[in-house]
Amino acid sequence: SAVISQKPSRDICQRGTSLTIQCQVDSQVTMMFWYRQQPGQSLTLIATANQGSEATYESGFVIDKFPISRPNLTFSTLTVSNMSPEDSSIYLCSAGTGRMNTEAFFGQGTRLTVV
Amino acid sequence: AQKVTQAQTEISVVEKEDVTLDCVYETRDTTYYLFWYKQPPSGELVFLIRRNSFDEQNEISGRYSWNFQKSTSSFNFTITASQVVDSAVYFCALSGSTNTPLVFGKGTRLSVIA
Repeated sequence: SAVISQKPSRDICQRGTSLTIQCQVDSQVTMMFWYRQQPGQSLTLIATANQGSEATYESGFVIDKFPISRPNLTFSTLTVSNMSPEDSSIYLCSAGTGRMNTEAFFGQGTRLTVV
Repeated sequence: AQKVTQAQTEISVVEKEDVTLDCVYETRDTTYYLFWYKQPPSGELVFLIRRNSFDEQNEISGRYSWNFQKSTSSFNFTITASQVVDSAVYFCALSGSTNTPLVFGKGTRLSVIA
């Protein structure tokens, strides 16, 4: 299994600002996935990030609001831009290598509160 | 399209009772993977189990057991002799293959009362 480190673990931000969340994997992975979990809700996929290409966003999520970088095979960032209180959520990353079980593991999550 | 349904929103049991969390899934894939996760109040997702569609054997791990039935598209999770530490939100999830993201159910909040 891959070990996924995510930071920050939590943050409180002012509306209108941006926050960049980092996700580091301890081995090379093909795909990285970013999810959002709004309070009391389930996880929703934001986007899939391949190394060397632009991220693929799910319906309802746009690059201007959630820009993603994937500079190499072990690292990705998600930025939450121009934040509003509605962006208060837990953001989680996971990774896929094609090997058994890899996609099952998640980072610790970033608990974001926008005030 | 893939879909996971966890019809039980909240369950409350008294400690030492057995409890079953239901999960029903929909997929057109012949190969797929099913997962269960535990999410304590801290927010991290704790991986519990992954099953592929070709393995219908039930699995037991300590007080946890899982019943996979393709005929009813269900993958239910039973906790035997529940404990207060089992209190959490439990998610069932589905993916079509390795290297693809997961589709999650809405989760079941389990409260175990001492």
